[in-house]
Amino acid sequence: KNEVEQSPQNLTAQEGEFITINCSYSVGISALHWLQQHPGGGIVSLFMLSSGKKKHGRLIATINIQEKHSSLHITASHPRDSAVYICAVNHYSLYGGSQGNLIFGKGTKLSVKP
Amino acid sequence: EAGVTQSPTHLIKTRGQQATLRCSPISGHTSVYWYQQALGLGLQFLLWYDEGEERNRGNFPPRFSGRQFPNYSSELNVNALELEDSALYLCASSLHLFGGKAYEQYFGPGTRLTVT
Repeated sequence: KNEVEQSPQNLTAQEGEFITINCSYSVGISALHWLQQHPGGGIVSLFMLSSGKKKHGRLIATINIQEKHSSLHITASHPRDSAVYICAVNHYSLYGGSQGNLIFGKGTKLSVKP
Repeated sequence: EAGVTQSPTHLIKTRGQQATLRCSPISGHTSVYWYQQALGLGLQFLLWYDEGEERNRGNFPPRFSGRQFPNYSSELNVNALELEDSALYLCASSLHLFGGKAYEQYFGPGTRLTVT
C-alpha cells in the first residue's frame, strides 16, 4: 500500500463545476503539499499545509490531521485548470524527525471541458 | 528573482554511459532535492542535499549519486545507464530544514534523460 493515496486517478469536469480531489496518507507528517503539473512537466507548488485550511483564488485546500486526510477544491473550474494535481507529504517520525524530501501520491489528472 | 534552473534540458545517452545533470537552487536556499519521474509513473525521491551534505536517499541503486557544491548548486550523476533510467529528472530547492519545520519546495523545469 502506498504511503500517500489520491482519488480519483482521473477526473473530467465541465467548465464551472466544483471539483474535489482527495488525499489520504498513512505516515506521520510535518506538512502536506498540493502540487500542480502541466503537460510540459513543470511543477508548481499550490499549497503547503500542516493544519486547517488555506485559500488562494479559486483553490481551497483542507487537512484533517486526526483522519490523515486532505482535500483540494477548485471552485468555478476552467479549462486552464486542466493539469495533474499531486499530493505529497514530508514524513515525520519521533526517531528520524522531519524529512525534507517529499513522498508523493500518484496524481490526479484533471481535464476541464469548455 | 531567478527560479530553480536545471541543465541540460534534454540529454540522450546510450546504455552503459554516464549522465551528469545540474541544478542551481533559488538564491538563499540551501536544500536541494532530486526526484525522478519515469513515463507513466509517479514522482520518486532520489536524493536530498543540505548545506553540502547528503541528508537522505531514496530507494535507488548506488549508481545514482550526486553532490552539492559550496554555492549550494548540485549535480546528479547516473553511472552505467540502463534503459529504465529514461525519465524526467526534477530538481527542487527549499530553505534549510530547521527544528522540524518543513518548507515549500520550488521545482526546476527538469532534465529529460533518454537512454537508448
